[in-house]
Amino acid sequence: GDSVTQMEGPVTLSEEAFLTINCTYTATGYPSLFWYVQYPGEGLQLLLKATKADDKGSNKGFEATYRKETTSFHLEKGSVQVSDSAVYFCALRENDYKLSFGAGTTVTVRA
Amino acid sequence: EAGVAQSPRYKIIEKRQSVAFWCNPISGHATLYWYQQILGQGPKLLIQFQNNGVVDDSQLPKDRFSAERLKGVDSTLKIQPAKLEDSAVYLCATTPGQGPYGYTFGSGTRLTVV
Repeated sequence: GDSVTQMEGPVTLSEEAFLTINCTYTATGYPSLFWYVQYPGEGLQLLLKATKADDKGSNKGFEATYRKETTSFHLEKGSVQVSDSAVYFCALRENDYKLSFGAGTTVTVRA
Repeated sequence: EAGVAQSPRYKIIEKRQSVAFWCNPISGHATLYWYQQILGQGPKLLIQFQNNGVVDDSQLPKDRFSAERLKGVDSTLKIQPAKLEDSAVYLCATTPGQGPYGYTFGSGTRLTVV
């Protein structure tokens, strides 16, 4: 079945550091790929998405590129801020339109 | 527009007790999902409704969990009797229909079973 594997956390960074969170997937077809973010005490929010190979999703300085050849969708941000501290989830959606999530990566950014 | 409303925000019960969670979707959203998020894990789908009908409940532990969506609007998820391993955040998400729509999640109900 479909599955998503994320790099394990927690990840602790200093402000202005570069952030990468690895995500790889297994799917039978051609899924859409997503990154969701969960800030402390809040619900899940869509951060960015990509619907086909080589698409790049971007939002709030975060980027991720849909790599079909490596079945990956790694999340990157060039300069993180304290406000980026959150749990990040990689997810995929196939033709049944149901979301399957990775385990989540907790990111803490120190001032 | 108003978001997905869930209540209560927190609930603490003893094992073997029963508990119910409520979800009010965005107006007009026909598809509703319940997810279980255990601490340190990603959300796992429990059940999917399309209007008032069940589309997929293959991951719902039916011996103790039940859900309904009367009139195709609000939904309730019930656990009876609760076990310690049911401690989790229960998330409700809705979309306008079955299609490539974005999910809107509620803030969730955090259940602690002691």
